[in-house]
Amino acid sequence: QQQVKQSPQSLIVQKGGISIINCAYENTAFDYFPWYQQFPGKGPALLIAIRPDVSEKKEGRFTISFNKSAKQFSLHIMDSQPGDSATYFCAASGGETSGSRLTFGEGTQLTVNP
Amino acid sequence: DAGVTQSPTHLIKTRGQHVTLRCSPISGHKSVSWYQQVLGQGPQFIFQYYEKEERGRGNFPDRFSARQFPNYSSELNVNALLLGDSALYLCASRPLGGPGYPQYFGPGTRLTVL
Repeated sequence: QQQVKQSPQSLIVQKGGISIINCAYENTAFDYFPWYQQFPGKGPALLIAIRPDVSEKKEGRFTISFNKSAKQFSLHIMDSQPGDSATYFCAASGGETSGSRLTFGEGTQLTVNP
Repeated sequence: DAGVTQSPTHLIKTRGQHVTLRCSPISGHKSVSWYQQVLGQGPQFIFQYYEKEERGRGNFPDRFSARQFPNYSSELNVNALLLGDSALYLCASRPLGGPGYPQYFGPGTRLTVL
């Protein structure tokens, strides 16, 4: 079964700290790995995405690190702010079977304390 | 530019009833996908449509059906509603049908089945 496993389930960080969320996947055909941010009552918003031909991608305070051999990728949020408090989902897609459908992790609830 | 729009915002139905959810993609986007998000979990893929044709179907029963119209808007229909169908139903659009393109989600329709 194609799965994406996400950890931790919840995370509490102090303002200004670094938030790190990890994901692992099984399907080696996956070739697109986005991260989404979701606030209560809202739809997921695309934050940043990476493809396996690069090991790291940075956009502002958000960085994706990708380890193809380990089949793992992670989201780093630098200088975390209370406004970053939300649920974060990693996802993956690609391959003949999955195509463009996104397979999501279970989510990480991030709380940034002021 | 307007994002993905969905209607209605909230819906309450009773078991056995039928429901129709609607989605309008971002202007210029030709592919629409539907996802179901149960509270506390990541979204689960239901359908993808591109150029009015079904391009993928997730592990959902035949009670779930969808279609895409010439203007690329889409409907998701669910028959014989069960309590377990209570969820946030998300629509996502992307420019083309192939893998690797970003998917942008709408705010969702919150369906409650009593």
